[in-house]
Amino acid sequence: KQEVTQIPAALSVPEGENLVLNCSFTDSAIYNLQWFRQDPGKGLTSLLLIQSSQREQTSGRLNASLDKSSGRSTLYIAASQPGDSATYLCAVMDSSYKLIFGSGTRLLVRP
Amino acid sequence: DAMVIQNPRYQVTQFGKPVTLSCSQTLNHNVMYWYQQKSSQAPKLLFHYYDKDFNNEADTPDNFQSRRPNTSFCFLDIRSPGLGDTAMYLCATSSEISGANVLTFGAGSRLTVL
Repeated sequence: KQEVTQIPAALSVPEGENLVLNCSFTDSAIYNLQWFRQDPGKGLTSLLLIQSSQREQTSGRLNASLDKSSGRSTLYIAASQPGDSATYLCAVMDSSYKLIFGSGTRLLVRP
Repeated sequence: DAMVIQNPRYQVTQFGKPVTLSCSQTLNHNVMYWYQQKSSQAPKLLFHYYDKDFNNEADTPDNFQSRRPNTSFCFLDIRSPGLGDTAMYLCATSSEISGANVLTFGAGSRLTVL
């Protein structure tokens, strides 16, 4: 059974700092890996999707990497801003289109 | 704008009183999902439809049912809500585009069972 783990569970950083969020998964037979952002009490917003054949994806200040063989992904946020404060969720999709989530990293960027 | 719309956004119900949550989409996506997310926890997949094919997760309680009358609509029925069913219920859709399968989520329906 696929399990997704995210470390750390919570992170507080000063504005401007570069940071890395970690995600690991137990079954490397994935279709893709996705990173989402969730603001308190809201739905999920897709940030980046990495296909199983890809190594990384970039969008603005965000960069996500995937090492399928070791079951790891990282989300790199450059020059963090208070508006980046949210919960970041990692999820892996299997071949039957099921998306399994980690429990997220709660990020606080202090002004 | 094309999107996923969930109604109601907030629902308070009594213990044991049936509840229906709805999800509609204008994206014409063939896959629709229902997730349950309890406070500070990961979203948990309840079931998903691939076209008309219904896929129930093994640990989804029988109390939870779903209907998809057409491509655009999907419903979550909770027949006899318990206190433990208080959660955010998230609907999502997806379709394979250029080999990628990106999920689009609705804003969620927050259910409180008293």
